[in-house]
Amino acid sequence: QQQVKQSPQSLIVQKGGISIINCAYENTAFDYFPWYQQFPGKGPALLIAIRPDVSEKKEGRFTISFNKSAKQFSLHIMDSQPGDSATYFCAASQNDKIIFGKGTRLHILP
Amino acid sequence: DGGITQSPKYLFRKEGQNVTLSCEQNLNHDAMYWYRQDPGQGLRLIYYSQIVNDFQKGDIAEGYSVSREKKESFPLTVTSAQKNPTAFYLCASSPQGAFNYEQYFGPGTRLTVT
Repeated sequence: QQQVKQSPQSLIVQKGGISIINCAYENTAFDYFPWYQQFPGKGPALLIAIRPDVSEKKEGRFTISFNKSAKQFSLHIMDSQPGDSATYFCAASQNDKIIFGKGTRLHILP
Repeated sequence: DGGITQSPKYLFRKEGQNVTLSCEQNLNHDAMYWYRQDPGQGLRLIYYSQIVNDFQKGDIAEGYSVSREKKESFPLTVTSAQKNPTAFYLCASSPQGAFNYEQYFGPGTRLTVT
């Protein structure tokens, strides 16, 4: 079964620090790798996405690093803030399917 | 405001009863989806629809049913056959056909069955 494996399950980071969440995939046919952010009691919202032919994409404090040969990608949150505390999901999509990781609960200490 | 609305936010039912969750979108999106979210399980696809009057089963469709009579609406019925219905249910839509990575989610309905 195709999976997207996400780690860690939970993460605590000091304010101002760097938060790093990792994902690994199996199917090399995936064509987009998005990250979603979900606040408690709300639906997820698209945060940032990357294509497999790009090694890095940055939007503000959020950066996706992509390693095609290792079939891994990660989300880096620079200068983490208490408002970044949320659950983050990585995902992989291909034409007729999108598969989500199980999520990482991030808590930023004030 | 454009977006996806789900109602109600909280829903309580007795075991053995069917219950229908509402999902409406005014984004003019063709594709709509239903996901189930349980703690530590991520998002699991229940059903999806690419066009009106057509829908397909996702990974965990057993015990659920849907309809797509209008482009804007994609209601989900949780039947009494669903063995573990208590969960957070999320509806989503996508602007470019099925499984575009850019999915727009509603605020969710938390269903509790006792």
